[in-house]
Amino acid sequence: GAVVSQHPSWVICKSGTSVKIECRSLDFQATTMFWYRQFPKQSLMLMATSNEGSKATYEQGVEKDKFLINHASLTLSTLTVTSAHPEDSSFYICIPMREGDGYTFGSGTRLTVV
Amino acid sequence: GDSVTQMEGPVTLSEEAFLTINCTYTATGYPSLFWYVQYPGEGLQLLLKATKADDKGSNKGFEATYRKETTSFHLEKGSVQVSDSAVYFCALSDASGSARQLTFGSGTQLTVLP
Repeated sequence: GAVVSQHPSWVICKSGTSVKIECRSLDFQATTMFWYRQFPKQSLMLMATSNEGSKATYEQGVEKDKFLINHASLTLSTLTVTSAHPEDSSFYICIPMREGDGYTFGSGTRLTVV
Repeated sequence: GDSVTQMEGPVTLSEEAFLTINCTYTATGYPSLFWYVQYPGEGLQLLLKATKADDKGSNKGFEATYRKETTSFHLEKGSVQVSDSAVYFCALSDASGSARQLTFGSGTQLTVLP
């Protein structure tokens, strides 16, 4: 159990375009979803926390208008990087939270903006 | 706020050597502590965890003991293998926080040579 599907696993896009990343919990309900990013050779940094049906809470320094998060259901959350720039190139990871303090990681999305 | 300080790498060992990766933390409440491993080209996987003081987490020959008095959760393995080469992240989840997000250390790159 506790399977998470994150898509796409990698994407290359042109500067100025938008990219949507989907995160689905396939066999459990996730009331809370954490979105992290990991720059090369660095640790994972929390970007935002979203709860189903409500607006996401963004960490300091993360632009909410640039990184749009939608948590429309208990099994699906999306992160849209709008008007992407090369500095947004990173590894994005979703972590749905399960009951009982369980964390299951998405496989991650490697975004490269050219 | 919560923080995790991890031994800086990279760490290079010969096969069958003893491994220690130091991890200390600061937290306002009573955190759960985790070690995650990231193999080359893959996402993070839970290696082991401990949820209260003096608990010992263990998996695949790795061990870590939750030491409240020293606020530490050092990772150890008695005899490393080439297949253990990966990046190791120490992390905590603070039970006193409502969001319960994971806070990660900076990661330690381990290379095991045959």
